[in-house]
Amino acid sequence: EVQLVQSGAEVKKPGESLRISCKGSGYSFTSHWITWVRQMPGKGLEWMGRIDPSDSYTKYSPSFQGHVTISVDKSISTAYLQWSSLKASDTAMYYCARRDSNGYYGWFDPWGQGTLVTVSS
Amino acid sequence: QSVLTQPPSASGTPGQRVTISCSGSRSNIGSNTVSWYQQLPGTAPKLLFYSTNQRPSGVPDRFSGSKSGTSASLAISGLQSEDEADYYCASWDDSLNGWVFGGGTKLTVL
Repeated sequence: EVQLVQSGAEVKKPGESLRISCKGSGYSFTSHWITWVRQMPGKGLEWMGRIDPSDSYTKYSPSFQGHVTISVDKSISTAYLQWSSLKASDTAMYYCARRDSNGYYGWFDPWGQGTLVTVSS
Repeated sequence: QSVLTQPPSASGTPGQRVTISCSGSRSNIGSNTVSWYQQLPGTAPKLLFYSTNQRPSGVPDRFSGSKSGTSASLAISGLQSEDEADYYCASWDDSLNGWVFGGGTKLTVL
């Protein structure tokens, strides 16, 4: 079974750093991009960026460029999303998803279960 | 504001047919395929359609997807209470060089 399992919920203070993870299994991890999606409380989905696990090439949405870093450790089939200095506005659910395609830009399937990040003083 | 525009809400009674629209532009829906995602309350999104009108295995054929020009639609016939969820469209945007989502439509089964 193809699945993505994310790390658990986090509670942090403003200014702290954080790295959350997304571990893939049941498929060739380096054959599919991993993407990260933010969902703020009561709001919709926002594409943050993606990484190609085969070469670690990343592409960020302009809205998130410079605010987060996406990385990968292909030896353990795990992608990461990290912040160097959290803000209260980073409070959200974060999902990773595997990009699948038939030769074009593709779609996201499956999704991880989500990691809730709460930033509060 | 989302790049793709969806109505914030839709509703119907059991057995009815409901359609959810997703409006974009030439740089996204007009040039690329659309995917749809269903998010049941308190759960992660789940793929509903890919390549505009392709259903993954396990998705009932009550659901259908289509596209015309710069707009796409998701239709649900024979509405059931279990269809109550948030629905999102997505597409690649050639100008932004990334994916864009619709704002989501909350479907209520009355």
